[in-house]
Amino acid sequence: AIRMTQSPSSFSASTGDRVTITCRASQGISSYLAWYQQKPGKAPKLLIYAASTLQSGVPSRFSGSGSGTDFTLTISCLQSEDFATYYCQQYYSYPPYTFGQGTKLEIK
Amino acid sequence: QVQLVESGGGVVQPGRSLRLSCAASGFTFSSYGMHWVRQAPGKGLEWVAVISYDGSNKYYADSVKGRFTISRDNSKNTLYLQMNSLRAEDTAVYYCAKELADCSGGSCYSIGLDYWGQGTLVTVSS
Repeated sequence: AIRMTQSPSSFSASTGDRVTITCRASQGISSYLAWYQQKPGKAPKLLIYAASTLQSGVPSRFSGSGSGTDFTLTISCLQSEDFATYYCQQYYSYPPYTFGQGTKLEIK
Repeated sequence: QVQLVESGGGVVQPGRSLRLSCAASGFTFSSYGMHWVRQAPGKGLEWVAVISYDGSNKYYADSVKGRFTISRDNSKNTLYLQMNSLRAEDTAVYYCAKELADCSGGSCYSIGLDYWGQGTLVTVSS
């Protein structure tokens, strides 16, 4: 099974900051990667699919890049509502459709 | 609008069974693959199972293979997860999710989960 490793596992940032979260696959997955945002007590929300395509309705401050094994999620100007946990998920090889372990973004 | 509503969660003893349901509305249910994803308390997301739009293909995580069965009734717009031989480590919130697929190449491939239910909590405890 493909393993997905996110870094960092958690970090603190301030409103207005530019932040980047990294996701690394244990083998090449082309661009078959999605990013999700999850707030406490809520279901995950799809932000980006195919590594870089913004899901409808998601603010343009979110962007994704990468292919192969290394991917990034960037939030260009953090807003208060962006403090949440972020997950990557691969769709290249299944089962399973592996998730990363999550990155918790907290307010500094 | 798309709605997915899970039900059937609760407290169950180890070794017993439970069936979860996910009622879908607001989209053509019979055209989309559907997934189950779970989240243990305080932990990350774990993909559990997927079923193709017509029910002909099903895949499972190793952790549930042979114990869980995913199924669907397209006439009722409902997805199911039959969970047998439950273990303490199956304790989690279970989400159903609709597949976002790329069908541009003739065949369809999952590329994300674009709608999720609110989740139903399953607690396995004696």
